[in-house]
Amino acid sequence: AQSVTQPDIHITVSEGASLELRCNYSYGATPYLFWYVQSPGQGLQLLLKYFSGDTLVQGIKGFEAEFKRSQSSFNLRKPSVHWSDAAEYFCAVGAMDDMRFGAGTRLTVKP
Amino acid sequence: DSGVTQTPKHLITATGQRVTLRCSPRSGDLSVYWYQQSLDQGLQFLIQYYNGEERAKGNILERFSAQQFPDLHSELNLSSLELGDSALYFCASSLGEVFYNEQFFGPGTRLTVL
Repeated sequence: AQSVTQPDIHITVSEGASLELRCNYSYGATPYLFWYVQSPGQGLQLLLKYFSGDTLVQGIKGFEAEFKRSQSSFNLRKPSVHWSDAAEYFCAVGAMDDMRFGAGTRLTVKP
Repeated sequence: DSGVTQTPKHLITATGQRVTLRCSPRSGDLSVYWYQQSLDQGLQFLIQYYNGEERAKGNILERFSAQQFPDLHSELNLSSLELGDSALYFCASSLGEVFYNEQFFGPGTRLTVL
């Protein structure tokens, strides 16, 4: 079965600094990979997804992620973080009949 | 606003009781998914319905059941509740039946079992 690991439980960055959130996955076939964001009291919102093709994926809110098959990674990046980006971020791997989420990374943004 | 609605927003009940959570998918979406989010288990897939039929099962307990009605809304029934069932329960919907279709999440129902 597929699985997802997000090694960082909590990350703090300064506003305007760059951000990288790590995600490692385990899946036997070509993975379908997702990043979701959850703001306090809200449901999850899809930031971006990777199915195939270009390994650098652009998403909403200025986020991007890079799929690296050799490292089984799908890290999320943003060049300049805004205070409104403070939230919990989930990486997920999907198959036909299942979706597995990582434990999440909580992002705090310092003024 | 994702277009997915869930009621109620909060539910407080006692151990041993039964509750029903309701979800209305986005207009046109045929799939409904239920997820449980708790501090110790994280976000777990429970069950999926597609166009009225159960399509996939995840880590759903036997005490839990769900159904999807002809108007495509769905209900998750939780019975013989235990303290450990306290969690945030999310519903999501998508147009297609496979998980890698984009899923739109509702705001969740927070269940507290005392």
